[in-house]
Amino acid sequence: RKEVEQDPGPFNVPEGATVAFNCTYSNSASQSFFWYRQDCRKEPKLLMSVYSSGNEDGRFTAQLNRASQYISLLIRDSKLSDSATYLCVESLNQAGTALIFGKGTTLSVSS
Amino acid sequence: DADVTQTPRNRITKTGKRIMLECSQTKGHDRMYWYRQDPGLGLRLIYYSFDVKDINKGEISDGYSVSRQAQAKFSLSLESAIPNQTALYFCATSDLGSQNTGELFFGEGSRLTVL
Repeated sequence: RKEVEQDPGPFNVPEGATVAFNCTYSNSASQSFFWYRQDCRKEPKLLMSVYSSGNEDGRFTAQLNRASQYISLLIRDSKLSDSATYLCVESLNQAGTALIFGKGTTLSVSS
Repeated sequence: DADVTQTPRNRITKTGKRIMLECSQTKGHDRMYWYRQDPGLGLRLIYYSFDVKDINKGEISDGYSVSRQAQAKFSLSLESAIPNQTALYFCATSDLGSQNTGELFFGEGSRLTVL
């Protein structure tokens, strides 16, 4: 089974900090990647899609490095509300039926 | 109200019992999925359906069956539950028009415990 590897953490950071997570994938042909956010005991929700070299949305930046087969998620100016588990997802096909979910990286932001 | 609704939200049952988890959606999406999530593991796909007449096995379909009763309804059955099927189960939908985005809309989850 193809794996998506993530550092499980937890990452414990103070408010205002910048934090970055990396995720490695194994299929060099994969075109699409995603970051989902999952709050404790809740359902995952899409945070960002990464199709080319990267994507930025406010305080969040996702980057894709195809040569090294990893994607990263950078969170600037961390908020208490950013505390959650972040799931890295690789899509093996365009139909969306072969999504490989990482185990998640847990972030805890403290005041 | 949630766009993707799962029932029951929590269920404790015994080995050998038949269990059905139900999912309904108001998003109007054609595609529906069942995933399970276990501690220390990523979400894994059990079954998926692209429309009422379409059922496909996912990565871990053994021991499960599904029924797509209508576009909005997709149920998951465990014919004879066993303890290693204890997990958090998620139903999800996606929009055919957004097939390349990988955006899934998840229900709130059904926590199943098999004793």
